[in-house]
Amino acid sequence: NAGVMQNPRHLVRRRGQEARLRCSPMKGHSHVYWYRQLPEEGLKFMVYLQKENIIDESGMPKERFSAEFPKEGPSILRIQQVVRGDSAAYFCASSLLTSGNIQYFGAGTRLSVL
Amino acid sequence: EDKVVQSPLSLVVHEGDTVTLNCSYEVTNFRSLLWYKQEKKAPTFLFMLTSSGIEKKSGRLSSILDKKELSSILNITATQTGDSAIYLCAPRQGGSEKLVFGKGTKLTVNP
Repeated sequence: NAGVMQNPRHLVRRRGQEARLRCSPMKGHSHVYWYRQLPEEGLKFMVYLQKENIIDESGMPKERFSAEFPKEGPSILRIQQVVRGDSAAYFCASSLLTSGNIQYFGAGTRLSVL
Repeated sequence: EDKVVQSPLSLVVHEGDTVTLNCSYEVTNFRSLLWYKQEKKAPTFLFMLTSSGIEKKSGRLSSILDKKELSSILNITATQTGDSAIYLCAPRQGGSEKLVFGKGTKLTVNP
């Protein structure tokens, strides 16, 4: 049973480009969460999605960031017109709401903006 | 504002030592508290605590929650070099289900 899969593991973008980060939840999980970890900081919640619905996006920056979790396929975190301050590790987690909502994490995508 | 403070931030011990990691929190609509171990990649789940005073145990690791004091501790006995990692404490908010993370405690176990 594969765990949470994130790709790519490393992503390098120049300022102004777009970054797309993908997350495939654990088999059977329909809840996905995105967190961002800046250098020397703890993980910060960004967004919580269920299939085709955004449940809580209170941690998402108001501009340039968007997330989706379509009926088919992985969840996507999209960052438009990246800036140096977007450089961070982005982690995805998934859960089964019925099992106490333990969130299982992927290995993360490390985004570097040049 | 939600806040999680872990202490110490960093700890260096020798194999065989026992360590206690602390976590205090202020989180609205508290639902439960989770502990994770983060090595170089994915944070891996250790414990979920929902009730005060009930110890959860897994091998050499154990953890307990004190809702009155808004705190939790993680104990590791007879430490091994493989225990070297960052240990993360994360209270969970009801409703949004989001985890609020502390900065973690970096544990280094030397042979």
